[in-house]
Amino acid sequence: GQQVMQIPQYQHVQEGEDFTTYCNSSTTLSNIQWYKQRPGGHPVFLIQLVKSGEVKKQKRLTFQFGEAKKNSSLHITATQTTDVGTYFCAGLTPGLSFGAGTTVTVRA
Amino acid sequence: KAGVTQTPRYLIKTRGQQVTLSCSPISGHRSVSWYQQTPGQGLQFLFEYFSETQRNKGNFPGRFSGRQFSNSRSEMNVSTLELGDSALYLCASSLAGVSPLHFGNGTRLTVT
Repeated sequence: GQQVMQIPQYQHVQEGEDFTTYCNSSTTLSNIQWYKQRPGGHPVFLIQLVKSGEVKKQKRLTFQFGEAKKNSSLHITATQTTDVGTYFCAGLTPGLSFGAGTTVTVRA
Repeated sequence: KAGVTQTPRYLIKTRGQQVTLSCSPISGHRSVSWYQQTPGQGLQFLFEYFSETQRNKGNFPGRFSGRQFSNSRSEMNVSTLELGDSALYLCASSLAGVSPLHFGNGTRLTVT
């Protein structure tokens, strides 16, 4: 079963709106990685967070690592149709363990 | 630089058979990990190899095995196939185990 929990499982967003997906672990993570998988594709690395409380931005995407290094979030502003896909967080447990993912659909 | 290459892309097998999947990592990457992806279970970690040694193993039965060769290429074997083994099998390579993973396009296995 999943050792890294991710919510929500599905996110239906109106184009232009913001949304956030959350990742939680019962154990402290040395780092957390985020990946995006487009429909029919394979997961593609987005970013890695290492430090407690770390915040990183990639254009409209903001990634945050919790102070206790047990949770993380991905916030997307002004959602576009290109944001469609499944977003996974992953932490070492050992071996890189992936959350179940948040599948994002966008209404134009 | 060539990406991660997995062969074959598609496989259809019957219950009880065995199957071998192949993965060629990005040049210079010494770590290869295997994942099983299904709609219900998401991405499940199978095992990771580094310099020909299995470094980590997920919670899968012994029917699932793998190996890595001196050129870092890896193979995964599933014996006595079951219907529930139908899935997309993804291979990923990295410089080291904690480095970002670079995934291949996967092998879609269907067991009938």
